[in-house]
Amino acid sequence: AQTVTQSQPEMSVQEAETVTLSCTYDTSESDYYLFWYKQPPSRQMILVIRQEAYKQQNATENRFSVNFQKAAKSFSLKISDSQLGDAAMYFCAYRKRGNKLVFGAGTILRVKS
Amino acid sequence: DAGVIQSPRHEVTEMGQEVTLRCKPISGHNSLFWYRQTMMRGLELLIYFNNNVPIDDSGMPEDRFSAKMPNASFSTLKIQPSEPRDSAVYFCASSQLAGGPSSYNEQFFGPGTRLTVL
Repeated sequence: AQTVTQSQPEMSVQEAETVTLSCTYDTSESDYYLFWYKQPPSRQMILVIRQEAYKQQNATENRFSVNFQKAAKSFSLKISDSQLGDAAMYFCAYRKRGNKLVFGAGTILRVKS
Repeated sequence: DAGVIQSPRHEVTEMGQEVTLRCKPISGHNSLFWYRQTMMRGLELLIYFNNNVPIDDSGMPEDRFSAKMPNASFSTLKIQPSEPRDSAVYFCASSQLAGGPSSYNEQFFGPGTRLTVL
């Protein structure tokens, strides 16, 4: 079975600085997708960024970028120029072809002003 | 687009009562998912439907839980009888059916229903 591991229960970052959230996953599939979701205190799940496994180029969405290392099964999220609004729980998720998403346990990100 | 709609947003009930959670997916989406989120177990997939047909219900905790999708625009998750350990936030999500390798088929989540069973 596929598993997703987020080894950092909680992280802190100073406003305007950069932080990296870690995620590793286990799969025997070669064709799959990876996602980072953000869950602010409102509880709404918001898709931050996504990556197709067959693409070597790392995905980027404004201040958010990933470091996708397929061989190492690693998918970290980098947040640049951190803002107070980035404070939330972040979930890494995996999906192979088909629809079932597998989530990690989440990382709480605190942003200090 | 209204997004995924869930009702109620909050539900407080007593142990033994029947609870029904409702979900309206995004129009045009043909996959629907029910998740449960707790501090102890994180986000768990309970069941999902493709074209109104249950595909994987292996996450449904026990016979007290049941889910239906009578049509493409409505789904229910029922707990009968409810127990305090069912207290959690229940999310519904929808997406287009997974296609080829270039299709992300992003899941869009509803705002969740916070269930408290006393």
